[in-house]
Amino acid sequence: AQSVAQPEDQVNVAEGNPLTVKCTYSVSGNPYLFWYVQYPNRGLQFLLKYITGDNLVKGSYGFEAEFNKSQTSFHLKKPSALVSDSALYFCAFDQIMIYNQGGKLIFGQGTELSVKP
Amino acid sequence: EPEVTQTPSHQVTQMGQEVILRCVPISNHLYFYWYRQILGQKVEFLVSFYNNEISEKSEIFDDQFSVERPDGSNFTLKIRSTKLEDSAMYFCASIPARDRGHGYTFGSGTRLTVV
Repeated sequence: AQSVAQPEDQVNVAEGNPLTVKCTYSVSGNPYLFWYVQYPNRGLQFLLKYITGDNLVKGSYGFEAEFNKSQTSFHLKKPSALVSDSALYFCAFDQIMIYNQGGKLIFGQGTELSVKP
Repeated sequence: EPEVTQTPSHQVTQMGQEVILRCVPISNHLYFYWYRQILGQKVEFLVSFYNNEISEKSEIFDDQFSVERPDGSNFTLKIRSTKLEDSAMYFCASIPARDRGHGYTFGSGTRLTVV
């Protein structure tokens, strides 16, 4: 079955240090990959997406992600973490079903990012 | 920026009662979704809806669940007889079209507590 996986339940980073939140995918064809963030007691906010083109994708709040086809990864990165980046991060892929106009976003398990001052 | 609006933000209901969660998708969007997130856990797909009918539903979406687009703006999720395990955050989402590349826009969610 097609899926995305986030191998780390939690990532702890000191403010000002670079951060990486990992995501690997098992998706046939050309995957459309996304990162969403969920702040405490809030909804899901879109951060960035990879569709095609440059493997390095830039998104909101200074985040970026690198699509690596050989390693089937789409890790989320930020050069300098802020305390306000502390949240739950979800990797996802868009599962399209051409025949019936269907499809849906499939999420990974989520990674809790904690940035300490 | 256009938003997906969900009401209520929090609903408490007794086990066995019916609840209706409401969503107003973005006006020119055509595809609508409900997702569920049990506290702090994975976001799970429930159902997708297009052209006034269900496109796909997950195994979670059993006979107790139904969706409806009663008018041109609202999209509702009904749970007929709630169970304790239905307690979760429910998110509505919409996209304008099925060509790939559109980010899904999510509402802020309804926290359902079944007691």
